[in-house]
Amino acid sequence: DTGVSQDPRHKITKRGQNVTFRCDPISEHNRLYWYRQTLGQGPEFLTYFQNEAQLEKSRLLSDRFSAERPKGSFSTLEIQRTEQGDSAMYLCASSRGQGRSTEAFFGQGTRLTVV
Amino acid sequence: QQQVKQSPQSLIVQKGGISIINCAYENTAFDYFPWYQQFPGKGPALLIAIRPDVSEKKEGRFTISFNKSAKQFSLHIMDSQPGDSATYFCAASRDSGGSNYKLTFGKGTLLTVNP
Repeated sequence: DTGVSQDPRHKITKRGQNVTFRCDPISEHNRLYWYRQTLGQGPEFLTYFQNEAQLEKSRLLSDRFSAERPKGSFSTLEIQRTEQGDSAMYLCASSRGQGRSTEAFFGQGTRLTVV
Repeated sequence: QQQVKQSPQSLIVQKGGISIINCAYENTAFDYFPWYQQFPGKGPALLIAIRPDVSEKKEGRFTISFNKSAKQFSLHIMDSQPGDSATYFCAASRDSGGSNYKLTFGKGTLLTVNP
């Protein structure tokens, strides 16, 4: 499977715990995005990487959230001191870094439930 | 501020009918307009996309109509099938000018196709 891969698919955690999600983009894609989707809503942009550089962060990304993309390959999204409001689907997407192609391909997402 | 407004929120059509979903955008810098299909528990899948240099794009049973002056675009699903039952999201991004290409999504339309 050469699509975007996310791990884990589901995560249940207690309030106050830290969680980390991983995203493996399509191999030739150098742009990587994290989005958050709550029930009944469209995905909302969280942050964007071009190669290893994090170029933009949404105001939705509080300082409890941190994302990395070492060596411009896979990315991790960590949430510290989770809150019930963090419960959502966290989606990763990737796209090519040249030409006019903005075609972004999404992974299956990580469903986070904070209890 | 909701930059991409999508309607209707839900839609029920009979098998073989035409499904029409509409979106309107506010940011005139947007120049890439994709539609995504999402099944429960899955990530959004790119369905079809259009750029403002054309007014219509067709791929199989799916057609995007684009009206630049009205800042509106729509998805038409011809000969709708029960397997098309899913949530559809319109989105928009700025695909030029050194932007980060992030997608702004509508809130989604839940399509149900009755057999």
